[in-house]
Amino acid sequence: SAVISQKPSRDICQRGTSLTIQCQVDSQVTMMFWYRQQPGQSLTLIATANQGSEATYESGFVIDKFPISRPNLTFSTLTVSNMSPEDSSIYLCSVSSNYGYTFGSGTRLTVV
Amino acid sequence: TQLLEQSPQFLSIQEGENLTVYCNSSSVFSSLQWYRQEPGEGPVLLVTVVTGGEVKKLKRLTFQFGDARKDSSLHITAAQPGDTGLYLCAGASGGSNSGYALNFGKGTSLLVTP
Repeated sequence: SAVISQKPSRDICQRGTSLTIQCQVDSQVTMMFWYRQQPGQSLTLIATANQGSEATYESGFVIDKFPISRPNLTFSTLTVSNMSPEDSSIYLCSVSSNYGYTFGSGTRLTVV
Repeated sequence: TQLLEQSPQFLSIQEGENLTVYCNSSSVFSSLQWYRQEPGEGPVLLVTVVTGGEVKKLKRLTFQFGDARKDSSLHITAAQPGDTGLYLCAGASGGSNSGYALNFGKGTSLLVTP
């Protein structure tokens, strides 16, 4: 299965600033997914990123707040913009392949 | 969004006990997956079930997919402290290589004490 390198693993940020999370995959994949996992909660899909086109966002998530880049088939970034304490969560990227779904180890974001 | 109801939400048992976690939906899924997540890590895939009525065993873990492909269960025999973690079920409406994102249940937090 694919191996994902996600960074940073954690960060503490001031409100009003932005943080960009990176995911690098060791193989080419068509679709990449970005999830949010709030403390003690399950995973909620933020958006689906397909190389060469704009990301598709789920209800409650907008591009201005969570811009996503997908410049090639092995890399994607998610930016959390103009952060507030409510954005404190774990953010995870995921890819699907013939072997199933693989997740990055997550980015634990704390906004103060 | 297809909803997955997972129960129980929390489970605290002693080493050696058996347990079952349930995942139910009103929707049909093409496949259903079970993940285990430890603190500070991403979810790790345990198993994928695809065929209605399918039963898969992974050492002390037994996974079952309902005949109608709407529900699933995870049974752990003789639980060990190493089984502690968050267990998540997730349903896919397409195949894993078709680009469909997963819908996750709320998770079952399992604590196994020595």
